Amino acid sequence: GDSVTQMEGPVTLSEEAFLTINCTYTATGYPSLFWYVQYPGEGLQLLLKATKADDKGSNKGFEATYRKETTSFHLEKGSVQVSDSAVYFCALSGSGGATNKLIFGTGTLLAVQP
Amino acid sequence: NAGVTQTPKFRVLKTGQSMTLLCAQDMNHGYMYWYRQDPGMGLRLIHYSVGEGTTAKGEVPDGYNVSRLKKQNFLLGLESAAPSQTSVYFCASRTDKLNTEAFFGQGTRLTVV
Repeated sequence: GDSVTQMEGPVTLSEEAFLTINCTYTATGYPSLFWYVQYPGEGLQLLLKATKADDKGSNKGFEATYRKETTSFHLEKGSVQVSDSAVYFCALSGSGGATNKLIFGTGTLLAVQP
Repeated sequence: NAGVTQTPKFRVLKTGQSMTLLCAQDMNHGYMYWYRQDPGMGLRLIHYSVGEGTTAKGEVPDGYNVSRLKKQNFLLGLESAAPSQTSVYFCASRTDKLNTEAFFGQGTRLTVV
């Protein structure tokens, strides 16, 4: 079945460092891909998405490109801030039918130190 | 805009007790989901619904039941709570159009002692 694998955390960075969180997926067809962010004590919020191959999603300085050839959707940010500290989830939405589930990775905790 | 609202936010149950978690959305979304979040396990799908009156099992359905009598509400029931059901539960909803994102509630922290 469909699945998402993302790098284990925690990831600890200094402020202004470059961030990469790896995400790869397994799916039939052409899924949509998402990154969600969860701040402490809150629910998940959509950070960005891409719906077809080679699309780049971007928001708040974060970017991710849908790479079908490597089945990847890695999250990047050029300069992280303390306020980016959160848990980041990669997710995919299956490509067909009424059972349009959202499948999540295990999440990656990012801690940014001043 | 209320979005997705979960009730209650916190609950402590004794083993064997029952309870119902309520999820309400005001966005006229067709799809609704219940997930549980556990350390190191990410979000695991318990049950989901693709419309009023229809439900289906997800990845970890055992010990839970659901109902969707109204389009805006999705109830998650625990008939006989067990310590293994201690978790944070999230409800989500989305439209039935392809490529759309889900909207999440704030979560319910349940402890079974």
